[in-house]
Amino acid sequence: EIVLTQSPGTLSLSPGERATLSCRASQSVSSSYLAWYQQKPGQAPRLLIYGASSRATGIPDRFSGSGSGTDFTLTISRLEPEDFAVYYCQQYGSSTFTFGPGTKVDIK
Amino acid sequence: EVQLVQSGAEVKKPGESLRISCKGSGYYFTNYWIGWVRQMPGKGLECMGIIYPADSDTRYSPSFQGQVTISADKSITTAYLQWSSLKASDTAMYYCARRYSSGSGDAFDIWGQGTMVTVSS
Repeated sequence: EIVLTQSPGTLSLSPGERATLSCRASQSVSSSYLAWYQQKPGQAPRLLIYGASSRATGIPDRFSGSGSGTDFTLTISRLEPEDFAVYYCQQYGSSTFTFGPGTKVDIK
Repeated sequence: EVQLVQSGAEVKKPGESLRISCKGSGYYFTNYWIGWVRQMPGKGLECMGIIYPADSDTRYSPSFQGQVTISADKSITTAYLQWSSLKASDTAMYYCARRYSSGSGDAFDIWGQGTMVTVSS
């Protein structure tokens, strides 16, 4: 089973700053099968990025995804107040999905 | 509107059985896999398994194989997650989610609102 590791665990930033979140896989992941989600307290997760770099419907272009193989990145170009949340990466392989442990982006 | 609507919160005792539901609407229910995702209090997301409602093909994540049963009734566009004997450690929020799968990607694009299951004596 592929294990995903996310870093940092917590990222403390101010509105307007750039956020760079990392997701590393224990073995190579097809880019098609790498996704990113945002979850706010008390809410269901929301799909942000699929296929490593494609934005889901309605997602602002300040969110971007990149990477391949075992290293993937979610970048938020300029943090808006509503972007402070927990972010999870996810991969699909061997007929199952696995999530990373999450990165919390909080207000500095 | 494409949506998944889950059944309401449950409070159960250890050893009891339970089935929670997830009703899809606004799309062809049989054309998309449905996944179930667990989130224990204050913790991250874990995919329990997925089901294809057209033929009930089901794939369980290794950690959940034998612990739960995933099923679907395509005639009423509803997926289910059930336990035969609950444990306190089953206390969690459970989400269903629609799997979007294409040549460009594979992810859960639509999520239910979640069902909170509390198991306590």
